[in-house]
Amino acid sequence: GESVGLHLPTLSVQEGDNSIINCAYSNSASDYFIWYKQESGKGPQFIIDIRSNMDKRQGQRVTVLLNKTVKHLSLQIAATQPGDSAVYFCAESYRGGNKLVFGAGTILRVKS
Amino acid sequence: DAGITQSPRHKVTETGTPVTLRCHQTENHRYMYWYRQDPGHGLRLIHYSYGVKDTDKGEVSDGYSVSRSKTEDFLLTLESATSSQTSVYFCAISPGLAGESEQYFGPGTRLTVT
Repeated sequence: GESVGLHLPTLSVQEGDNSIINCAYSNSASDYFIWYKQESGKGPQFIIDIRSNMDKRQGQRVTVLLNKTVKHLSLQIAATQPGDSAVYFCAESYRGGNKLVFGAGTILRVKS
Repeated sequence: DAGITQSPRHKVTETGTPVTLRCHQTENHRYMYWYRQDPGHGLRLIHYSYGVKDTDKGEVSDGYSVSRSKTEDFLLTLESATSSQTSVYFCAISPGLAGESEQYFGPGTRLTVT
């Protein structure tokens, strides 16, 4: 599953630092948001989701923040590890919607 | 990969030939999806299914057809492959609507049309 494109934004972080990956979503009616991680040669892997009635949700080493006012989503990864190197996608939908709309992705590179 | 397999994993075919990709799930999920992934475009929905024999078009459905005769299998057919259909194809499944629950993805099929 090669997903690296010529114009994907790239975030480079030092191992052990925290990472913040940002996403701007397009539909003000969207009320369900997901983050996926995709490693080279693999399918996207679910990380965490959030509904619009929340502005923050935490998982294991990850936190998603939602700002509906400016239609912005972020994924925070604590103590970033080399295994976190991947492409990260945000996706949006709405209650009753049949389709997820994906962003173009952000490359995360972790330097040891 | 959440009980999802795709076959074949790699295929090279010639322009104008028919191609069928298979997605098989063991989770008994109602919803199944086909996406394509191209550099610079992210994941785009081709077709999806909300039950046996129930399918609908996605964002990039032209040149593709699908069939679902059993809960566990969702087939994607390129009736006459073109070079623009060279891509990586992913199947996904979910227990509920896209706006209700997360989708789980298969390992992908890399298709090259020469």
